[in-house]
This record gives sequence, structure tokens and C-alpha cells, in this order.
Amino acid sequence: ETGVTQSPTHLIKTRGQQVTLRCSSQSGHNTVSWYQQALGQGPQFIFQYYREEENGRGNFPPRFSGLQFPNYSSELNVNALELDDSALYLCASSLRFGDGDRGYTFGSGTRLTVV
Amino acid sequence: GNSVTQMEGPVTLSEEAFLTINCTYTATGYPSLFWYVQYPGEGLQLLLKATKADDKGSNKGFEATYRKETTSFHLEKGSVQVSDSAVYFCALSDRRAGNEKLTFGTGTRLTIIP
Repeated sequence: ETGVTQSPTHLIKTRGQQVTLRCSSQSGHNTVSWYQQALGQGPQFIFQYYREEENGRGNFPPRFSGLQFPNYSSELNVNALELDDSALYLCASSLRFGDGDRGYTFGSGTRLTVV
Repeated sequence: GNSVTQMEGPVTLSEEAFLTINCTYTATGYPSLFWYVQYPGEGLQLLLKATKADDKGSNKGFEATYRKETTSFHLEKGSVQVSDSAVYFCALSDRRAGNEKLTFGTGTRLTIIP
């Protein structure tokens, strides 16, 4: 089975710009969650998508938005980038209703640097 | 809200030493508990999990027991190897939240020296 694939692996953007990060979920998974991991910190939950709809959101402003597509892949969009948005962005897929206790499958992440 | 507190690092041990990384949690419901490991330049990998009180999760020589009375899930390994060097995250999820989001601790960096 294929794992979770994220693209790009690294990205440098200027403050105020917009960015789109992409994630292909593991085969057989129907739920995608996004996490932000600042340097030296644990990942923080941004939001989750299930059946193409947002299913829970963490403490992040509306300029963080997402999409899930019919093939369960997902995008994370961040508008009006700020320096503090510099972080590793992790995508995790899972199979809702039954797989929650097995944990998620994480991608290797996208390292975003805002200058 | 839910939270996870981890033993602060970094932790440096000699090969074959005994490892304990402490983790305690606060949760309003009955969470599932996890340990994830992150190797340099990589994402998170599930190391082990436990879904109810007194469950013991184990994998690759690592163990952790879900202790409801002390709200703890300490990670242990009897004899560490250089290849165990990584950052370890304790996490919980609460199914009652409806989205089973993971709440992580800040991570503990472990370095094993030969």
C-alpha cells in the first residue's frame, strides 16, 4: 500500500504571499488531517477533512483553509503569510470510524519558510 | 481542554542503557494514547498505542502502559541502540471529539551514544 505523499518538500515564500500545500492520502483512507509543527515543538492540529468537508478545526485563523477532493487527496492553503507561519506542515490520513485507535499515517511534511 | 506533558529533553544515554521518557495527560474523556517517533528529516511514525486503562502498548522493544489512576503513559525500553536516536512524541486522541484529532506533547529528543 502507498503511504502519504506531500508536496513540495521545501518551500520559501515572502511575507504576504499565499501558498498551497498538497497531500495524497494513503490508499484506503478517507480522512485527512493537517498539522503545523513549529521548530522544537509538537505538531498542532489545524483541521481535518472527511468526505470533502471540514470536520473539526484547531486554533488557527481563517486564512488557513483547506480542500479535500473526491479521491481523498487534500490541499492546505495559507493566505497573507506571516513570519510565524514558518514551520513543518504535516498531513496525516486515516480511515474514519474504525481506524482512529490505530493512529494516523503521516507524510514526511512540507517545510515552509516565510521571509 | 486536552493536554499532554512530556519530560523535557534532550536525553542522552549510552548504548544498552535503560530508557524512560515520562508522559502525563489531561483529558475530559477516555482518550487513546500514543507514542510517535520522528527521525531526522522525516514525518511521524506510530511507535505504539493503548486504547484503554491498563493496556500495554509495545513495539520494537519499547513499552508503555496506560495508567488512568496517575494519568500517565511513560515510554520505556530496556536496552537502547544508536538507531533509537530520534524525537519522541506522546499524544492522545479523544473519540468523543468527533474527529479524533491528536494532541501532542512538545517532544523529547533522544540521543544514544555508542
